[in-house]
Amino acid sequence: DTAVSQTPKYLVTQMGNDKSIKCEQNLGHDTMYWYKQDSKKFLKIMFSYNNKELIINETVPNRFSPKSPDKAHLNLHINSLELGDSAVYFCASSQAAGVSQETQYFGPGTRLLVL
Amino acid sequence: AQSVAQPEDQVNVAEGNPLTVKCTYSVSGNPYLFWYVQYPNRGLQFLLKYITGDNLVKGSYGFEAEFNKSQTSFHLKKPSALVSDSALYFCAVREYGNKLVFGAGTILRVKS
Repeated sequence: DTAVSQTPKYLVTQMGNDKSIKCEQNLGHDTMYWYKQDSKKFLKIMFSYNNKELIINETVPNRFSPKSPDKAHLNLHINSLELGDSAVYFCASSQAAGVSQETQYFGPGTRLLVL
Repeated sequence: AQSVAQPEDQVNVAEGNPLTVKCTYSVSGNPYLFWYVQYPNRGLQFLLKYITGDNLVKGSYGFEAEFNKSQTSFHLKKPSALVSDSALYFCAVREYGNKLVFGAGTILRVKS
């Protein structure tokens, strides 16, 4: 049973296209996150949602729009894809945003390649 | 802003030898520190965390980490390395909103 799952696992697309990545967690957590890992393996947070409400938006271009239909899902939609968007995108979840010791559990990642 | 630094891009160790992956931190207030491991083409797996209490934290797969306040360090250790421990290791610190700020990562290579 996968705790945090992402689809698709791989995504190859052309510049200018719009694409979505889906994330689901079955841990009963209230908070979900999107992180981006670049080609140098550097990880940086993009967004965080707590119970469907946006709480962190880390100066990400407007082309990126997260959507949380319920607290078990956090999807990432990307408009007008650019070459620089090529990266691995990780979804994560934790019990609550306000509790500092909460562990974040990560999904397997979605490898996005923009051609 | 909170930050962590991993001073070594790569650590090489022979199987059976002890290993250490270094991490230093810079925080205001109490640090909440984490170690994650990433195997090739896989997601990040949680290893251990320090919140408060004992300076020696034990985690998954036989790993442990020592919190040292005077040296602002949180080094990851294992008494006897396995080839299967070869992976990319990340140190992270919790910042506002529970977001994690990661170090640049350290590649661990264990040779048989």
